[in-house]
Amino acid sequence: GAVVSQHPSWVICKSGTSVKIECRSLDFQATTMFWYRQFPKQSLMLMATSNEGSKATYEQGVEKDKFLINHASLTLSTLTVTSAHPEDSSFYICSPEPRGGEETQYFGPGTRLLVL
Amino acid sequence: EDQVTQSPEALRLQEGESSSLNCSYTVSGLRGLFWYRQDPGKGPEFLFTLYSAGEEKEKERLKATLTKKESFLHITAPKPEDSATYLCAVQTSYGKLTFGQGTILTVHP
Repeated sequence: GAVVSQHPSWVICKSGTSVKIECRSLDFQATTMFWYRQFPKQSLMLMATSNEGSKATYEQGVEKDKFLINHASLTLSTLTVTSAHPEDSSFYICSPEPRGGEETQYFGPGTRLLVL
Repeated sequence: EDQVTQSPEALRLQEGESSSLNCSYTVSGLRGLFWYRQDPGKGPEFLFTLYSAGEEKEKERLKATLTKKESFLHITAPKPEDSATYLCAVQTSYGKLTFGQGTILTVHP
């Protein structure tokens, strides 16, 4: 199956700092990137959708100025949590959609963020 | 609004005891229904995609089926290594995935 990497796998930061999470599709090109978050014992919730080279579309209730998404290339997307607060502590997972629309929807291994 | 409901929330089985997980959905314009396995602290691992009512797919001890309103994930003779959270998600014509809450499966030896 396709390989998707996320970095870092976990991060602890102080309240008020910014954290950048990278998502790479290692063996395919992704024209669309989905970013999800998952709170403990809950399912995945879509945060935003981005297409390479254009602005991301955010789901209702997700602040676009707080969660900055950059999808500058077909193999790399970044999510930056700006001025993080404890309530942003969550498991962030990316999902790149392969160009050509394969039936499989791949997910990254996730990044655990803990804001103190 | 698209909705996905999974049941039961948790399921405990003895090794070898077959059972089924349910995923009920209401969506406008179903593009596909996905099943994933998720282990603690990891991203979802793809299992199956189903596109139309009547479709079935199998992989080892797992078989997924689809009707117009629900999908079942049948587990035959499960083993302890099958213990995980099983997630169901529906994809609309816009490409967005809407997930259910998941079923936590525990298989005891």
